Amino acid sequence: SYDLIQPPSVSVSPGQTASIPCSGDKLGDRYACWYQQKPGQSPILVIYQDNKRPSGIPERFSGSNSGNTATLTISGTQAQDEGDYYCQAWDSRTVEFGGGTKLTVL
Amino acid sequence: EVQLLESGGGLVQPGGSLRLSCAASGFTFNNYAMTWVRQAPGKGLEWVSITSGSGDTTYNADSMKGRFTISRDNSKNTLYLHMNSLRAEDTAVYYCAKYSMRTCGNSGYFDYWGQGTLVTVSS
Repeated sequence: SYDLIQPPSVSVSPGQTASIPCSGDKLGDRYACWYQQKPGQSPILVIYQDNKRPSGIPERFSGSNSGNTATLTISGTQAQDEGDYYCQAWDSRTVEFGGGTKLTVL
Repeated sequence: EVQLLESGGGLVQPGGSLRLSCAASGFTFNNYAMTWVRQAPGKGLEWVSITSGSGDTTYNADSMKGRFTISRDNSKNTLYLHMNSLRAEDTAVYYCAKYSMRTCGNSGYFDYWGQGTLVTVSS
């Protein structure tokens, strides 16, 4: 199987930049996506195909993917950005999710 | 507006079976692959299975292969997950999600998710 590794937690002060990494073998050779999930809610897509934002997602969300690491960056983090973030990529014929990162804005 | 409504969850005994449904609306159902993703209480997302828009291609997570079967009825705009030989560790919220493409491949993504249905496996 293909493992995607994320740190369990990341903390950031309001207004600062949060970076959430996702590591996998040669991850940069495949597309990475990112999903946000708030408590009691379903996941929503925030980044697809490495660095594209769906309509309705604020510009402060951006993504990159190179080498073995994809990174979700949130610029000017707001309290409402708190939640769990999951990276996702394909491995041949299976879909893999990272273990998730809890973002705390304090 | 895209809507995905899961149903069929509930309490089932170990070894039992269950069929989940996902009623879709707001888009041309047979033009998109569909997937099931589950989330055990307090845990992360775990992919279960995906089927192409026509239903002729399916991929499954190894850990559930042979017990879970994904299917779809395009005439009813409905996705299904047939679950057999259920175990306590299958207890989770099961989400259906729309894929961004008709075929299953690594350039797509899950752009819409349902609210989920809870499956509890316990005696």
